[in-house]
Amino acid sequence: SQQGEEDPQALSIQEGENATMNCSYKTSINNLQWYRQNSGRGLVHLILIRSNEREKHSGRLRVTLDTSKKSSSLLITASRAADTASYFCATVTTTQGGSEKLVFGKGTKLTVNP
Amino acid sequence: NAGVTQTPKFRVLKTGQSMTLLCAQDMNHEYMYWYRQDPGMGLRLIHYSVGEGTTAKGEVPDGYNVSRLKKQNFLLGLESAAPSQTSVYFCASRTGSGSQYEQYFGPGTRLTVT
Repeated sequence: SQQGEEDPQALSIQEGENATMNCSYKTSINNLQWYRQNSGRGLVHLILIRSNEREKHSGRLRVTLDTSKKSSSLLITASRAADTASYFCATVTTTQGGSEKLVFGKGTKLTVNP
Repeated sequence: NAGVTQTPKFRVLKTGQSMTLLCAQDMNHEYMYWYRQDPGMGLRLIHYSVGEGTTAKGEVPDGYNVSRLKKQNFLLGLESAAPSQTSVYFCASRTGSGSQYEQYFGPGTRLTVT
């Protein structure tokens, strides 16, 4: 079962524009992570935001987290053609047994046109 | 430092055949994971391991078995392949016992079952 759901499913923008992707989830989380996947490759971790954090920056990436709305957004500023990839949010939750699990959403496919 | 490697990269099986996918990591990570990725489905956890000699079921374990005889290796077995197991398989690993640590992914194995 998917915990995180990204929106939109696909996004096409021009180079230099900003790209915003959203992730909504259903249950309380420990933290939320964003990953990137280039076509035909494995996922690469981009950024992690803890449940007690509201905003985090890393280079051209800005992530926000609103636990009251159970949502997160990933903003990529001044996009480049090389940012073309699929982006996944992943939520970390604690199971009934006390262990933690990471659940991925279905992803947003971003295309940045030169 | 090769990170996470997967063998093979591609494989075509006939229904009923068996095979083993090998994942190796050279980062001394405790945790290792096997996921499958299907179009429009995101990543789904098949099995995981929290240390050498231990394995546990994930979200979609049926039809798969795993073994973690050595810390650096995590094997995924298909005893009797079915067309429904056509997918891209990713291995991942991470360090530590805390959920804040990112997962490192291999490049994937594309499996087709005819």
